[in-house]
Amino acid sequence: SQQGEEDPQALSIQEGENATMNCSYKTSINNLQWYRQNSGRGLVHLILIRSNEREKHSGRLRVTLDTSKKSSSLLITASRAADTASYFCATAIYSSASKIIFGSGTRLSIRP
Amino acid sequence: EAQVTQNPRYLITVTGKKLTVTCSQNMNHEYMSWYRQDPGLGLRQIYYSMNVEVTDKGDVPEGYKVSRKEKRNFPLILESPSPNQTSLYFCASSSTTEAFFGQGTRLTVV
Repeated sequence: SQQGEEDPQALSIQEGENATMNCSYKTSINNLQWYRQNSGRGLVHLILIRSNEREKHSGRLRVTLDTSKKSSSLLITASRAADTASYFCATAIYSSASKIIFGSGTRLSIRP
Repeated sequence: EAQVTQNPRYLITVTGKKLTVTCSQNMNHEYMSWYRQDPGLGLRQIYYSMNVEVTDKGDVPEGYKVSRKEKRNFPLILESPSPNQTSLYFCASSSTTEAFFGQGTRLTVV
């Protein structure tokens, strides 16, 4: 079963607005990662946040992590048409050194 | 350059004809996995491997086999493909900080 569940499943916003996607997970984690997938292509790593971190920034991306609620959010500021893609959260769990489990994804559409 | 190479990119086959999708990584990762992606269902893990000769079922293993004889290779085998295995398949190789994906194999079983 999926470790991570993204919310919403689909999001459509106007170009220039901010997009927020949420992820909830079930077990203790080592870190949480966000990935982007353009249609029909492989996933690409965006950003990682470790379990002892609460917030991280990378360019227009801001990720937060609340381990008490087992949740994370990805904020994309000043969205662009090129941000249209699916976004997945993924968790690296403690019980395995290398296992990464993916959520079901949020489909983001940016309207021009 | 870190790379996961999947082949073929596209494949059309007939029901029951055995096929293998190859996956190779150059990062010396221990953990590799296969996913299928279908519209509205996200990424579903088929099989994963923690190391050479160590494989385990993911969420949707039925109809698939894998092997891990060498660290760099993790082929996906469909012994008797059926139309419900028509999908987009991804191989991934992971450390704890990042997963690297292949370009995908679009499989159609007729």
